Amino acid sequence: QVQLVQSGSELKKPGASVKVSCKASGYTFTDSSIHWVRQAPGQGLEWMGWINTNTGKPAYAQAFTGRFVFSLDTSVSTAYLQISSLKVDDTAVYYCAAFDYGDYWGQGTLVTVSS
Amino acid sequence: EIVLTQSPGTLSLSPGERATLSCRASQSVPSNYLAWYQQKPGQAPRLLIYGASSRATGIPERFSGSGSGTDFTLTISRLEPEDFALYYCQQYGNSRSFGQGTKLEIK
Repeated sequence: QVQLVQSGSELKKPGASVKVSCKASGYTFTDSSIHWVRQAPGQGLEWMGWINTNTGKPAYAQAFTGRFVFSLDTSVSTAYLQISSLKVDDTAVYYCAAFDYGDYWGQGTLVTVSS
Repeated sequence: EIVLTQSPGTLSLSPGERATLSCRASQSVPSNYLAWYQQKPGQAPRLLIYGASSRATGIPERFSGSGSGTDFTLTISRLEPEDFALYYCQQYGNSRSFGQGTKLEIK
């Protein structure tokens, strides 16, 4: 069965960087793009963008340009979200998701930014 | 970017009642590519409806979606206790975006 398994919770200080992983299994990794969604505490879902798992080309929603980078390691069927120069406002649960052949979500990764 | 506005923000109803949730788009959603999700605390969103009106696999018949263009509705015909949750619409016809959500709470 299709599974997206994300890395564990992170606690970071403002100005640091974080890299969240999303490991896919149960399907051919390059058959479906990977999307990233943010959910701040008590807030709604924000679509951050997606990465084409065939070409490696990312596309970012307007609010997520600059400090956010999507990448891949197709050899291990894993997508990554890196956030640099972390701010307190980046505190959120980050989800990866695959929508091309169904609707599959990772379990979410809580990133907490606090001094 | 298509902006989705959901209403009401909070809906207070009792089990057995009918729930009607609205999602309005700032411009027409191409091909009516509009989905509805349910989210419970601590869980990832769960797809209920895609293509505005098609139920996802395993979703009970009491959930139905309707609408086209810029106005969409999710209807839950008879609320069960497990239906009280957050609901989001998402459009995927022009890039993607989510509405801000409707909280369905027990009255």
